[in-house]
Amino acid sequence: GAGVSQSPSNKVTEKGKDVELRCDPISGHTALYWYRQSLGQGLEFLIYFQGNSAPDKSGLPSDRFSAERTGGSVSTLTIQRTQQEDSAVYLCASSLARSGLAEHYEQYFGPGTRLTVT
Amino acid sequence: AQSVSQHNHHVILSEAASLELGCNYSYGGTVNLFWYVQYPGQHLQLLLKYFSGDPLVKGIKGFEAEFIKSKFSFNLRKPSVQWSDTAEYFCAVKRGSQGNLIFGKGTKLSVKP
Repeated sequence: GAGVSQSPSNKVTEKGKDVELRCDPISGHTALYWYRQSLGQGLEFLIYFQGNSAPDKSGLPSDRFSAERTGGSVSTLTIQRTQQEDSAVYLCASSLARSGLAEHYEQYFGPGTRLTVT
Repeated sequence: AQSVSQHNHHVILSEAASLELGCNYSYGGTVNLFWYVQYPGQHLQLLLKYFSGDPLVKGIKGFEAEFIKSKFSFNLRKPSVQWSDTAEYFCAVKRGSQGNLIFGKGTKLSVKP
């Protein structure tokens, strides 16, 4: 079946502009995650949506970052007033997360959006 | 701070050599453990996972990992690497009821033909 998809695959923007990154999770997956992969920094958790619960925003690096998930499916990560340090690959993942079974929390990753802030 | 440590930044091996990549975590509660692989130009793929039961888990492509609770470790092994194993490998931990994964900084593996 279809995996996690993300768009755009590449985005170049000028410092100070706002950007929106989109994630389409695997159909039927109730949990959706955003991570950031920076050179030499590994993967950094940003935000996590689980069903209708309030999202876990504990990883967002500043108030310039926000995300929403509409209809329990598609998610948009918005970065306002972009800075050069925001340049990274932004990864989205989803998991089934429908029960207490640990296996349902296995995360499937999308290809990422490479953001370059000039 | 709770963290995941991967000891090697870059490992270079010849084909047929044995591989062991270290991973240690600092969280003391219940954990689920994962190794992900990222081949050049591709997205992250799950290599193997530990949830419970037998601490020696086998994954795809001949990889295995052993969970040693007393050492807070989950090292990745492969007895004989191939050139096609050239990739970056990430260890990740899911802590208790927390939803997100905490990743190590990754180990780049280069296999010389």
